[in-house]
Amino acid sequence: NAGVTQTPKFRVLKTGQSMTLLCAQDMNHEYMYWYRQDPGMGLRLIHYSVGEGTTAKGEVPDGYNVSRLKKQNFLLGLESAAPSQTSVYFCASSYGRLANTGELFFGEGSRLTVL
Amino acid sequence: GENVEQHPSTLSVQEGDSAVIKCTYSDSASNYFPWYKQELGKGPQLIIDIRSNVGEKKDQRIAVTLNKTAKHFSLHITETQPEDSAVYFCAASKGNRDDKIIFGKGTRLHILP
Repeated sequence: NAGVTQTPKFRVLKTGQSMTLLCAQDMNHEYMYWYRQDPGMGLRLIHYSVGEGTTAKGEVPDGYNVSRLKKQNFLLGLESAAPSQTSVYFCASSYGRLANTGELFFGEGSRLTVL
Repeated sequence: GENVEQHPSTLSVQEGDSAVIKCTYSDSASNYFPWYKQELGKGPQLIIDIRSNVGEKKDQRIAVTLNKTAKHFSLHITETQPEDSAVYFCAASKGNRDDKIIFGKGTRLHILP
């Protein structure tokens, strides 16, 4: 199994450009998440989804949009990239309610630089 | 909302010694506390977790303790080895349908030869 796959792995953008990060999971998981990781800040939740067709805001949602049109895919969009969005982005998925099923499965990350 | 504090931010221990990482949380409704290990260039991976009905859990050289009254939990690694060098994250969750897992800021653990 591939698990959680993120594309692209690296991207350089200019301020104001737009882009989409794609996350795909092949584990039939209900829940999917997008986190960003910055030095000294840990993992901060951007948006998440509790099932196909649903999305919800996390801790730091501003400047990002998401869509979950298919159960296996969770897209993270930046409409107008800013230097403050330079970060490593991680997608994760889990089977169901976290307290019952436990584990988050993470992708390997997408490093985004905004100039 | 939930706030998870993690200490220390960096920890260096001699190979073979023990390492302890501590976390506190703010929301008394949180009932699930996982620990994740992140190796260089990889995504985090679950290494152990504990639920609120248990005070301690052990898995080989790794153990986690939970004090719900004080709202803190700790990761203990005994007989540390070079492959334990990584960044460790604690986290907390309430386990509702719209649950969000909130992570601490991480501890970079260095195992010294």
